[in-house]
Amino acid sequence: NAGVTQTPKFRILKIGQSMTLQCTQDMNHNYMYWYRQDPGMGLKLIYYSVGAGITDKGEVPNGYNVSRSTTEDFPLRLELAAPSQTSVYFCASTYGGVGEQFFGPGTRLTVL
Amino acid sequence: DQQVKQNSPSLSVQEGRISILNCDYTNSMFDYFLWYKKYPAEGPTFLISISSIKDKNEDGRFTVFLNKSAKHLSLHIVPSQPGDSAVYFCAASGVGGATNKLIFGTGTLLAVQP
Repeated sequence: NAGVTQTPKFRILKIGQSMTLQCTQDMNHNYMYWYRQDPGMGLKLIYYSVGAGITDKGEVPNGYNVSRSTTEDFPLRLELAAPSQTSVYFCASTYGGVGEQFFGPGTRLTVL
Repeated sequence: DQQVKQNSPSLSVQEGRISILNCDYTNSMFDYFLWYKKYPAEGPTFLISISSIKDKNEDGRFTVFLNKSAKHLSLHIVPSQPGDSAVYFCAASGVGGATNKLIFGTGTLLAVQP
């Protein structure tokens, strides 16, 4: 049982490039989330999903897209990378509408 | 508008003593509160939670207290151990229906001195 896994661990992008951050969970959780954490700040919700085929915006969705075609996977897409997207990105999952979320180890992204 | 606030960026305590981490919130619709612990280069890990229908929840060395009238919660760690040194995040949920969206505070860095 690997829990929540994220790839890559680190990435450097040039302005305007695109990339996909991968997130997979093996706990059969319905709910999945993407957060970003900037230095000295708390985690802010980017997008979330309450089940396969269902996604919705969080607090800071601009510049990102998501999809949820399976229960296990919840990739986050950056289409035109900007320096403001330099951050650490965390994926999380949980079974239902209340309770603890389980977090992945994070992806550290730098946009230059 | 910061709905969940942790006003102490850092806290230093001696090993064996009590650590008290504080958190304030502004939205009275929050009905579930959680504390997460985060080590460098790792994801947050769940520590303890409390529902708004309770005022205290205890799990081993960790106790969370909730004061709804003051919109304040605190995490007590007794006794503190060097391995407790980490960033602690307070989080709240309950708005936005049954989506379990969490609103996080900015974190408090706890340093437990041997």
